[in-house]
Amino acid sequence: QQPVQSPQAVILREGEDAVINCSSSKALYSVHWYRQKHGEAPVFLMILLKGGEQKGHDKISASFNEKKQQSSLYLTASQLSYSGTYFCGTYSGNTPLVFGKGTRLSVIA
Amino acid sequence: DGGITQSPKYLFRKEGQNVTLSCEQNLNHDAMYWYRQDPGQGLRLIYYSQIVNDFQKGDIAEGYSVSREKKESFPLTVTSAQKNPTAFYLCASSIAGAPGTGELFFGEGSRLTVL
Repeated sequence: QQPVQSPQAVILREGEDAVINCSSSKALYSVHWYRQKHGEAPVFLMILLKGGEQKGHDKISASFNEKKQQSSLYLTASQLSYSGTYFCGTYSGNTPLVFGKGTRLSVIA
Repeated sequence: DGGITQSPKYLFRKEGQNVTLSCEQNLNHDAMYWYRQDPGQGLRLIYYSQIVNDFQKGDIAEGYSVSREKKESFPLTVTSAQKNPTAFYLCASSIAGAPGTGELFFGEGSRLTVL
């Protein structure tokens, strides 16, 4: 069952912050985050494992609430290069990642 | 450079024809996957393989077939039984182990259009 992402789309001005949420109805072992630019392959951002800590690199970080089966991706001081579609992928055991429908992020000058 | 190569990048097919999409990796990964992407639908799993000569169906396997005769190769055949094959197809691989604990490496994708 696909995780639910919100919002579906968001438009930011450079320098603004954004939060993308991912919610599952299943107990999760891990949550992955990927970014895809139009017509290109998705690129791995980070993975959050059950029992692990909040992760991040540069101005992109994420958290994983195991009790609520939710993850959030935080983009701080957004740059034009952050534009793209963000997917969360969830792992509940037995089968490979199940991806959400994506959140389209547009950063404008 | 290590990576995943998908071919062709663009493919046109007439209704009723089978078509095979190629996926080759030189990352020495044991696990390989095929995902289908439609606008607004995210990535949906077609088939995956965690070891040579073994593969499992994903959520939308109907109308597709795969083989895994070599570690580096995982071709996908879109058969005439697939009712709506026009889509963007992504191949991915990951290191062996629990499929949800390692990063997925994706190829550039193949865009199939049925005329």
